[in-house]
Formats: sequence, structure tokens, C-alpha cells
Amino acid sequence: GQNIDQPTEMTATEGAIVQINCTYQTSGFNGLFWYQQHAGEAPTFLSYNVLDGLEEKGRFSSFLSRSKGYSYLLLKELQMKDSASYLCAVRDSRKGNKLVFGAGTILRVKS
Amino acid sequence: GAGVSQSPRYKVAKRGQDVALRCDPISGHVSLFWYQQALGQGPEFLTYFQNEAQLDKSGLPSDRFFAERPEGSVSTLKIQRTQQEDSAVYLCASSLAGTNQPQHFGDGTRLSIL
Repeated sequence: GQNIDQPTEMTATEGAIVQINCTYQTSGFNGLFWYQQHAGEAPTFLSYNVLDGLEEKGRFSSFLSRSKGYSYLLLKELQMKDSASYLCAVRDSRKGNKLVFGAGTILRVKS
Repeated sequence: GAGVSQSPRYKVAKRGQDVALRCDPISGHVSLFWYQQALGQGPEFLTYFQNEAQLDKSGLPSDRFFAERPEGSVSTLKIQRTQQEDSAVYLCASSLAGTNQPQHFGDGTRLSIL
């Protein structure tokens, strides 16, 4: 989506930590989702943030700052299977509360 | 099945033909969404159903695109007089109710128009 920015690609090493950033511009922010999508497969839900702060779920954490229009997804103890595209999606009340997706960040995990 | 099921998985059609893509949502999910995903891009919203009611069809690119969910379960996305620019992956997603619930996606239908 034109109002959501994510890096196009990132590379990280197995076992390391990586942070994938997402910035958005809308006055109708109403929640942010992170999805993981392996090539040729369905996007799968990772996390949901609607209030400021950090949500932790196992190896994955997601952070939101509404005042800065900023979120990140933190992946710890990277595994080869984490190689995928990571999609940031904003629920926008100016657009009927439908999800507007970023183009995704392709993460490559190397050994 | 446990997840969202879409068929066919792949569809090749000649320009000008009509196609129909099917989505079986997770049982009990009230909301159903269709998205179009181009290579290297995120999904783009096409339309949204709550039960059998189509609440939002603002993302449908033209009047050649039509979606229905007559009994509030299975949905069909129909594209008439297909054009090459319709080539994309069409994803269906369902959620318990509304857009503030996580959406569960199917694997999509990869449509290629020759």
C-alpha cells in the first residue's frame, strides 16, 4: 500500500536477532497486523497491536508507537525456516476498517 | 477442513474467457475477504462479506469482477472477459467476525491470462 513502508529485503544469520520496521501514514489508524508469507503459500497471522507497546509471543515480538506511526517485528533465535516475506498491515478507519498491506519485507536467513 | 480452502490452485485462461474462483472459509467464520496479490507486492483488498451480505466492494477493479456468498459460507469470485492485467494470485481470507479479528488466509488461486 502506498502509505505503508517496509524495507524490501533483509538478510540475517541463523541464531541472530532481526528487526523489521514498518512505518505508516494515516489519521484513521485502528490496529496493525503482522503476517508471515512463505513463497507460494498463504499469509499466516503473527501478531496484532492496537495500543502502544510490546507484544511478545515466543520468538516473535511486535512493537507499536502510534504517535510515531511506527511498528517493528522482532525475530529472535533465527531459524532457516524463518526465511519468508513479512507483511505489515494497517486497519484504516478512513477506508472502512479494511486492511491495507505493505509490500512486504523478504527476509533471508543464512547459515 | 481446518483452514481456508481455495480452488482451483492454478488457473490458466485465454484472454476474454470468464473464470470462477472458489473459497471455502473456516466453518463458523462470519467474515470473508477477497484480495489480489501481484508478484512482490502485498495483498490488495477487493471485497468483504459479513455472512451473505457484501458490505464493501470498493476494491473490485472493474465491473468485470463480481463476488457472491449466497448462503453465507462458500464464496465465488468471478471475472468476466479476462484481461492480461488480471493475472495475479487471488487470496481469500476469513475471520470470526469483523475486521479487527485476525484473518486466516487460503493458499490462493494463481490466475494466468494468456
